[in-house]
Amino acid sequence: DAGVIQSPRHEVTEMGQEVTLRCKPISGHNSLFWYRQTMMRGLELLIYFNNNVPIDDSGMPEDRFSAKMPNASFSTLKIQPSEPRDSAVYFCASSPSSGWAREQYFGPGTRLTVT
Amino acid sequence: GENVEQHPSTLSVQEGDSAVIKCTYSDSASNYFPWYKQELGKRPQLIIDIRSNVGEKKDQRIAVTLNKTAKHFSLHITETQPEDSAVYFCAASMNNAGNMLTFGGGTRLMVKP
Repeated sequence: DAGVIQSPRHEVTEMGQEVTLRCKPISGHNSLFWYRQTMMRGLELLIYFNNNVPIDDSGMPEDRFSAKMPNASFSTLKIQPSEPRDSAVYFCASSPSSGWAREQYFGPGTRLTVT
Repeated sequence: GENVEQHPSTLSVQEGDSAVIKCTYSDSASNYFPWYKQELGKRPQLIIDIRSNVGEKKDQRIAVTLNKTAKHFSLHITETQPEDSAVYFCAASMNNAGNMLTFGGGTRLMVKP
């Protein structure tokens, strides 16, 4: 298994531009999570999906952020318009949601720089 | 919702010494407590976890203890090595849909050779 796949690995963009981050979870995992990590705020949960349905998006900072999961093997996190304070590492993680098996497997992350 | 506090935020130890990181949680319904290790520039990875029906779990040089009454759990690393240097995150979870984890703020552990 290739693990959780994220693309791009690095993204540099100018303020005001649209940014789309992509994630492919591990096959068979029912839950998908988007996190943002910065030195100041640590690891923040932005949104999570269970069976492709958004369950909790209370961590999404504002309307500029949106996430979708059109099928079990793909999710996107979009920022429009981007701002310098959005610069961070964005992780996607997936997890099987049956019984006690709750380990979250993280992808390699996307390092976003907004200038 | 759940709130997880983690201490200390940084910890420096000499190689060979032990390191202890402590976490407290707020929701008594939480019943799963994993620990993740994140090396510099890498992704967080699970190193050990404990469920609420156990008080202690050990895996080689790492161990985790859980006190449900006090709502706190700890990570113990013995005989620390330079490769243990990383950021460690504790987390708590209830048996809810989607397996959402609430993470602590992280502890940066530095092991000096």
